[in-house]
Amino acid sequence: QAQLVESGGGVVQPGGSLRLSCAASGFTFNRYAMNWVRQSPRKGLEWVAFIRYDGGTEKYADSVKGRFTISRDNSKNTVYLQMNSLRLEDTAVYFCAKDTTQLWDHDAFDMWGQGTVVTVSS
Amino acid sequence: DIQMTQSPSTLSASVGDTVTITCRTSQNIISWLAWYQQKPGKAPKLLIYKASTLQSGVPSRFSGSGSGTEFTLTISSLQPDDFATYYCQQYNSNYPWTFGQGTKVEIK
Repeated sequence: QAQLVESGGGVVQPGGSLRLSCAASGFTFNRYAMNWVRQSPRKGLEWVAFIRYDGGTEKYADSVKGRFTISRDNSKNTVYLQMNSLRLEDTAVYFCAKDTTQLWDHDAFDMWGQGTVVTVSS
Repeated sequence: DIQMTQSPSTLSASVGDTVTITCRTSQNIISWLAWYQQKPGKAPKLLIYKASTLQSGVPSRFSGSGSGTEFTLTISSLQPDDFATYYCQQYNSNYPWTFGQGTKVEIK
């Protein structure tokens, strides 16, 4: 069945970097925009980044703009989140999430991964 | 950014009750609103999108209404599996997209 599986989380010091991956299966990946959403007790659910189905458009939350980069490899059915200059407040569970409607650019998220934990700590 | 005000933050109810959760947005988002259910340790699950469209596989006791800046999620005849936290999310064409603070539905 269709699923998203994240990986790449871990513990990193402030100022460090991590790269998250989200492997998709069971649906036509290159027809759907993808997102990263994070959740922490302090800030709740927070949308982080969006990438269009063809990779042609990227959008970011102000809190991560200039530090995080979303990308996708449609040949590998995978979306990535490169996180640089990590801060204590980036500590959260990171989910990848799929748009509901194919070939669209602002949508609800009908499929989520299980989440990967990122801890920024000295 | 569009601000989301979700209420109540906690709701105590019994099996069989009908409950309503409200979400207000700081700007008109037409009908670009979704509702999610989340259980501890799990990812959110989409219940409703475009304010009132039931996601495939979601029981019909869940319903959504509203447009513009005021929206509601109604759960009719609450079932044991429905005790969870519920979030609204706006996904207007202008970024960023934002979530409400959540409503925890507890057993009375």
